[in-house]
Amino acid sequence: AQTVTQSQPEMSVQEAETVTLSCTYDTSESNYYLFWYKQPPSRQMILVIRQEAYKQQNATENRFSVNFQKAAKSFSLKISDSQLGDTAMYFCAFMKQYSNYQLIWGAGTKLIIKP
Amino acid sequence: KAGVTQTPRYLIKTRGQQVTLSCSPISGHRSVSWYQQTPGQGLQFLFEYFSETQRNKGNFPGRFSGRQFSNSRSEMNVSTLELGDSALYLCASSLAGIQETQYFGPGTRLLVL
Repeated sequence: AQTVTQSQPEMSVQEAETVTLSCTYDTSESNYYLFWYKQPPSRQMILVIRQEAYKQQNATENRFSVNFQKAAKSFSLKISDSQLGDTAMYFCAFMKQYSNYQLIWGAGTKLIIKP
Repeated sequence: KAGVTQTPRYLIKTRGQQVTLSCSPISGHRSVSWYQQTPGQGLQFLFEYFSETQRNKGNFPGRFSGRQFSNSRSEMNVSTLELGDSALYLCASSLAGIQETQYFGPGTRLLVL
Protein backbone atom coordinates (compact mmCIF):
# COMPACT_ATOMS: atom_id res chain seq x y z
CA ALA A 1 0.00 0.00 0.00
CA GLN A 2 1.11 3.52 -0.70
CA THR A 3 1.85 5.94 2.12
CA VAL A 4 2.65 9.64 2.16
CA THR A 5 4.62 11.24 4.98
CA GLN A 6 4.93 14.91 5.79
CA SER A 7 7.40 15.18 8.64
CA GLN A 8 6.86 18.85 9.46
CA PRO A 9 3.56 19.39 11.31
CA GLU A 10 4.07 23.15 11.43
CA MET A 11 6.43 25.73 9.97
CA SER A 12 6.70 29.45 10.32
CA VAL A 13 8.69 31.94 8.22
CA GLN A 14 8.86 35.66 7.68
CA GLU A 15 7.15 37.22 4.71
CA ALA A 16 9.35 37.30 1.57
CA GLU A 17 11.47 34.37 2.77
CA THR A 18 11.77 31.08 0.97
CA VAL A 19 10.38 27.96 2.62
CA THR A 20 10.57 24.29 1.71
CA LEU A 21 7.99 21.73 2.78
CA SER A 22 9.02 18.11 2.72
CA CYS A 23 7.10 15.06 1.55
CA THR A 24 8.19 11.47 1.17
CA TYR A 25 6.16 8.60 -0.13
CA ASP A 26 6.38 4.87 -0.34
CA THR A 27 5.29 2.96 -3.39
CA SER A 28 6.35 0.09 -5.60
CA GLU A 29 4.67 1.68 -8.60
CA SER A 30 6.64 3.20 -11.46
CA ASN A 31 3.94 5.43 -12.86
CA TYR A 32 2.10 7.82 -10.61
CA TYR A 33 1.22 11.43 -9.95
CA LEU A 34 2.15 13.65 -7.04
CA PHE A 35 0.32 16.75 -5.91
CA TRP A 36 0.60 19.59 -3.48
CA TYR A 37 -2.69 21.04 -2.31
CA LYS A 38 -3.20 24.12 -0.18
CA GLN A 39 -6.06 24.54 2.29
CA PRO A 40 -6.34 28.09 3.66
CA PRO A 41 -8.36 28.85 6.76
CA SER A 42 -11.41 29.29 4.48
CA ARG A 43 -11.17 25.50 3.95
CA GLN A 44 -11.28 25.50 0.13
CA MET A 45 -8.71 22.96 -1.03
CA ILE A 46 -6.70 24.37 -3.93
CA LEU A 47 -4.26 22.58 -6.21
CA VAL A 48 -0.82 24.17 -5.99
CA ILE A 49 1.23 21.99 -8.26
CA ARG A 50 1.22 18.58 -9.94
CA GLN A 51 4.06 16.31 -11.02
CA GLU A 52 3.94 13.27 -13.27
CA ALA A 53 6.47 10.67 -12.16
CA TYR A 54 7.61 9.96 -15.71
CA LYS A 55 8.72 13.56 -16.14
CA GLN A 56 12.23 14.29 -15.01
CA GLN A 57 11.73 18.03 -15.09
CA ASN A 58 10.50 19.51 -11.84
CA ALA A 59 7.13 21.22 -12.04
CA THR A 60 6.94 24.97 -11.47
CA GLU A 61 4.02 27.31 -10.98
CA ASN A 62 5.06 30.92 -10.45
CA ARG A 63 6.52 31.12 -6.93
CA PHE A 64 5.93 27.42 -6.29
CA SER A 65 8.31 24.73 -7.43
CA VAL A 66 9.00 21.14 -6.51
CA ASN A 67 12.12 19.09 -6.05
CA PHE A 68 11.12 15.64 -7.25
CA GLN A 69 13.61 12.91 -6.44
CA LYS A 70 12.08 9.70 -7.76
CA ALA A 71 14.77 7.35 -6.52
CA ALA A 72 14.61 8.82 -3.05
CA LYS A 73 10.80 8.99 -3.21
CA SER A 74 10.89 12.60 -2.17
CA PHE A 75 8.66 15.44 -3.36
CA SER A 76 9.36 18.73 -1.61
CA LEU A 77 7.61 22.03 -2.28
CA LYS A 78 9.53 25.29 -2.37
CA ILE A 79 7.70 28.56 -1.96
CA SER A 80 9.74 31.58 -2.95
CA ASP A 81 9.07 35.15 -1.85
CA SER A 82 6.43 33.92 0.60
CA GLN A 83 3.34 36.05 1.07
CA LEU A 84 0.82 36.38 3.89
CA GLY A 85 -1.75 34.70 1.65
CA ASP A 86 0.40 31.57 1.58
CA THR A 87 -0.61 30.87 5.19
CA ALA A 88 -2.45 27.55 5.00
CA MET A 89 -2.29 23.82 5.51
CA TYR A 90 -0.32 22.16 2.75
CA PHE A 91 -1.04 18.57 1.81
CA CYS A 92 1.07 16.28 -0.30
CA ALA A 93 -0.88 13.61 -2.18
CA PHE A 94 -0.11 10.56 -4.30
CA MET A 95 -2.09 8.78 -6.96
CA LYS A 96 -1.22 5.70 -8.98
CA GLN A 97 -1.52 6.04 -12.72
CA TYR A 98 -4.36 4.00 -14.23
CA SER A 99 -5.35 3.26 -10.71
CA ASN A 100 -8.36 2.92 -8.54
CA TYR A 101 -8.89 6.62 -8.72
CA GLN A 102 -8.05 7.73 -5.22
CA LEU A 103 -5.66 10.23 -3.74
CA ILE A 104 -3.50 9.12 -0.82
CA TRP A 105 -2.84 12.06 1.44
CA GLY A 106 -0.12 13.12 3.84
CA ALA A 107 -1.04 14.50 7.25
CA GLY A 108 -0.34 18.05 6.19
CA THR A 109 2.02 20.87 7.17
CA LYS A 110 0.66 24.03 8.72
CA LEU A 111 2.54 26.94 7.21
CA ILE A 112 2.40 30.34 8.88
CA ILE A 113 3.77 33.39 7.11
CA LYS A 114 4.59 36.15 9.58
CA PRO A 115 4.51 39.82 8.60
CA LYS B 1 -16.99 29.03 -14.94
CA ALA B 2 -18.53 28.33 -11.55
CA GLY B 3 -16.56 26.16 -9.15
CA VAL B 4 -17.61 23.10 -7.23
CA THR B 5 -20.46 23.85 -4.86
CA GLN B 6 -21.51 21.91 -1.82
CA THR B 7 -24.66 22.20 0.22
CA PRO B 8 -25.27 22.64 3.01
CA ARG B 9 -22.10 24.25 4.32
CA TYR B 10 -22.83 23.39 7.94
CA LEU B 11 -24.97 20.72 9.49
CA ILE B 12 -25.72 19.59 13.02
CA LYS B 13 -27.28 16.20 13.60
CA THR B 14 -27.73 13.81 16.50
CA ARG B 15 -26.56 10.24 16.78
CA GLY B 16 -28.73 7.78 14.93
CA GLN B 17 -30.00 10.25 12.39
CA GLN B 18 -29.12 10.20 8.73
CA VAL B 19 -27.79 12.98 6.54
CA THR B 20 -27.54 13.76 2.85
CA LEU B 21 -24.88 16.04 1.45
CA SER B 22 -24.93 17.45 -2.06
CA CYS B 23 -22.19 18.32 -4.52
CA SER B 24 -22.49 20.10 -7.85
CA PRO B 25 -19.36 19.71 -9.96
CA ILE B 26 -17.85 22.19 -12.35
CA SER B 27 -19.83 22.29 -15.58
CA GLY B 28 -18.58 19.59 -17.94
CA HIS B 29 -16.90 17.56 -15.22
CA ARG B 30 -18.13 13.99 -15.07
CA SER B 31 -16.14 12.62 -12.15
CA VAL B 32 -17.02 13.40 -8.55
CA SER B 33 -15.06 12.19 -5.55
CA TRP B 34 -15.81 12.47 -1.86
CA TYR B 35 -13.33 12.76 1.00
CA GLN B 36 -13.69 12.89 4.76
CA GLN B 37 -11.35 15.17 6.68
CA THR B 38 -10.89 14.87 10.44
CA PRO B 39 -8.14 16.08 12.77
CA GLY B 40 -7.35 12.54 13.82
CA GLN B 41 -7.50 10.62 10.54
CA GLY B 42 -6.69 13.40 8.11
CA LEU B 43 -8.05 13.15 4.59
CA GLN B 44 -9.58 9.86 3.59
CA PHE B 45 -11.12 8.83 0.31
CA LEU B 46 -14.77 7.81 0.47
CA PHE B 47 -15.77 7.05 -3.14
CA GLU B 48 -15.70 8.28 -6.69
CA TYR B 49 -18.47 8.41 -9.28
CA PHE B 50 -18.26 8.73 -13.01
CA SER B 51 -21.23 8.75 -15.35
CA GLU B 52 -23.58 7.69 -12.55
CA THR B 53 -21.42 4.66 -11.66
CA GLN B 54 -19.32 4.18 -8.57
CA ARG B 55 -15.84 3.37 -9.81
CA ASN B 56 -14.05 3.07 -6.51
CA LYS B 57 -14.78 3.02 -2.84
CA GLY B 58 -12.57 3.64 0.16
CA ASN B 59 -12.54 1.75 3.44
CA PHE B 60 -15.67 3.10 5.01
CA PRO B 61 -18.61 1.14 6.41
CA GLY B 62 -21.76 0.60 4.41
CA ARG B 63 -23.45 3.43 6.31
CA PHE B 64 -21.68 5.72 3.86
CA SER B 65 -23.22 5.67 0.42
CA GLY B 66 -23.47 7.90 -2.55
CA ARG B 67 -24.94 8.35 -5.95
CA GLN B 68 -24.54 10.47 -9.02
CA PHE B 69 -27.23 11.85 -11.25
CA SER B 70 -27.29 12.24 -15.00
CA ASN B 71 -26.27 15.90 -14.68
CA SER B 72 -23.17 14.75 -12.71
CA ARG B 73 -24.43 16.17 -9.44
CA SER B 74 -23.67 13.83 -6.59
CA GLU B 75 -25.09 13.13 -3.19
CA MET B 76 -23.54 11.40 -0.24
CA ASN B 77 -25.63 9.80 2.46
CA VAL B 78 -24.61 8.72 5.92
CA SER B 79 -27.10 6.65 7.88
CA THR B 80 -27.19 5.93 11.60
CA LEU B 81 -24.81 8.75 12.41
CA GLU B 82 -22.10 8.23 15.00
CA LEU B 83 -20.12 10.82 16.92
CA GLY B 84 -17.05 9.86 14.91
CA ASP B 85 -18.73 10.93 11.70
CA SER B 86 -18.21 14.54 12.69
CA ALA B 87 -15.93 15.85 9.98
CA LEU B 88 -15.47 18.12 7.04
CA TYR B 89 -16.74 16.36 3.92
CA LEU B 90 -15.06 17.49 0.75
CA CYS B 91 -16.24 16.92 -2.76
CA ALA B 92 -13.96 17.19 -5.77
CA SER B 93 -14.68 17.08 -9.48
CA SER B 94 -12.57 16.45 -12.54
CA LEU B 95 -13.20 16.11 -16.25
CA ALA B 96 -12.98 12.38 -16.60
CA GLY B 97 -11.28 10.89 -13.60
CA ILE B 98 -9.12 11.39 -10.61
CA GLN B 99 -6.00 11.08 -12.74
CA GLU B 100 -6.82 14.52 -13.90
CA THR B 101 -6.64 17.51 -11.65
CA GLN B 102 -9.33 17.50 -9.03
CA TYR B 103 -11.05 20.73 -8.08
CA PHE B 104 -12.48 20.87 -4.59
CA GLY B 105 -15.59 22.42 -3.16
CA PRO B 106 -15.66 24.37 0.11
CA GLY B 107 -16.84 21.35 2.05
CA THR B 108 -19.71 20.55 4.36
CA ARG B 109 -18.96 20.67 8.07
CA LEU B 110 -20.97 17.97 9.83
CA LEU B 111 -21.26 17.92 13.60
CA VAL B 112 -22.87 14.91 15.24
CA LEU B 113 -24.05 15.41 18.81
